[in-house]
Amino acid sequence: NAGVTQTPKFQVLKTGQSMTLQCAQDMNHNSMYWYRQDPGMGLRLIYYSASEGTTDKGEVPNGYNVSRLNKREFSLRLESAAPSQTSVYFCASNPGTSAHNEQFFGPGTRLTVL
Amino acid sequence: AQKITQTQPGMFVQEKEAVTLDCTYDTSDQSYGLFWYKQPSSGEMIFLIYQGSYDEQNATEGRYSLNFQKARKSANLVISASQLGDSAMYFCAMIKVSGGYNKLIFGAGTRLAVHP
Repeated sequence: NAGVTQTPKFQVLKTGQSMTLQCAQDMNHNSMYWYRQDPGMGLRLIYYSASEGTTDKGEVPNGYNVSRLNKREFSLRLESAAPSQTSVYFCASNPGTSAHNEQFFGPGTRLTVL
Repeated sequence: AQKITQTQPGMFVQEKEAVTLDCTYDTSDQSYGLFWYKQPSSGEMIFLIYQGSYDEQNATEGRYSLNFQKARKSANLVISASQLGDSAMYFCAMIKVSGGYNKLIFGAGTRLAVHP
């Protein structure tokens, strides 16, 4: 099992450009998440998806859109990148809705917006 | 609102000694989970240990143990016999079940440096 995979690993954008971060998991998990991590801070939830076909906003959703393409894949799109979106982006997945399920993280995407 | 507080931005420990990383949390939920993750300089998030709110015993995983004091709402991580490879950021997180979804709420982290 590859676990949670993310592409790309690194990306540099100019202000106003758009891009999509890809995430896939092969653990048959229902829930998937996108977090961002800014320097010196913990992870903050951007969007999540409890199951295929459903998505909902997290703590910091502004400037982002998501798509739960199928059970395996959950993408994050920046329509018009801004320097404030420079961050490390983590995708995670989780088996279900119990409070006792560990979240499994991808390796992260380091995004710089100039 | 749920909140995780890690009051130690940085900690130093001598190799082979034990170290405690502090974590306090705030929640009105009865059922919740507490996690510790390690983030080395390479950036990945590595799960270390989990404690459920109804677990009576403190969780242990090898050299990691969680000192869970429910009444004080604290969930401190204890690393015994520190190794140089333990140098990393450590995050305490709480999982909240909300509307059928569960989501992690993270603290700001503690940077641990292990000296030889």
